[in-house]
Amino acid sequence: GQQLNQSPQSMFIQEGEDVSMNCTSSSIFNTWLWYKQDPGEGPVLLIALYKAGELTSNGRLTAQFGITRKDSFLNISASIPSDVGIYFCAGDNAGNMLTFGGGTRLMVKP
Amino acid sequence: NAGVMQNPRHLVRRRGQEARLRCSPMKGHSHVYWYRQLPEEGLKFMVYLQKENIIDESGMPKERFSAEFPKEGPSILRIQQVVRGDSAAYFCASSPWTEAEQYFGPGTRLTVT
Repeated sequence: GQQLNQSPQSMFIQEGEDVSMNCTSSSIFNTWLWYKQDPGEGPVLLIALYKAGELTSNGRLTAQFGITRKDSFLNISASIPSDVGIYFCAGDNAGNMLTFGGGTRLMVKP
Repeated sequence: NAGVMQNPRHLVRRRGQEARLRCSPMKGHSHVYWYRQLPEEGLKFMVYLQKENIIDESGMPKERFSAEFPKEGPSILRIQQVVRGDSAAYFCASSPWTEAEQYFGPGTRLTVT
């Protein structure tokens, strides 16, 4: 089946830092989505991308749909403490199911 | 505007019992999806339903698991004769049409003792 490789698996951030994470796939997706999940909660949709090459922003978040349609990245600028959580990429082909990456866990540097 | 609602939020069942998980989609959404999440992992697709129809159940185990989305009322994910390996978080998502963004509920955490 399709698999999404998400990296890094975890990272520590300091308030004010920029953060980057990416997702790669062995197969093509028509839609890429980025979600954030807090402990004990469901994933919350951050950004949806529909066209290869598309660059979309949502506040301090920017995401891009790779030209090959096999990858996507998410950037968070000027991170704040509430950015802590798990970020998931998800790809959609047929509109029936989302294929999720393993997640990137964002933590605060002690 | 209420989001996707799931209940119960937490469910404890003994091995061999039945678990029923409910999902009410967002208002105006007629497409429902169920996913399962094990600790420290991403979500895995189980089943996609529209009102009164199962569209894709390729991710659902063939035995003990079933899902429905009746004309009236919530979607139900039913797990019969639960085993310890069924312990997980089960999430429901809804969308207004195919290929639209999916919005997730808060999940039901099932624990099998």
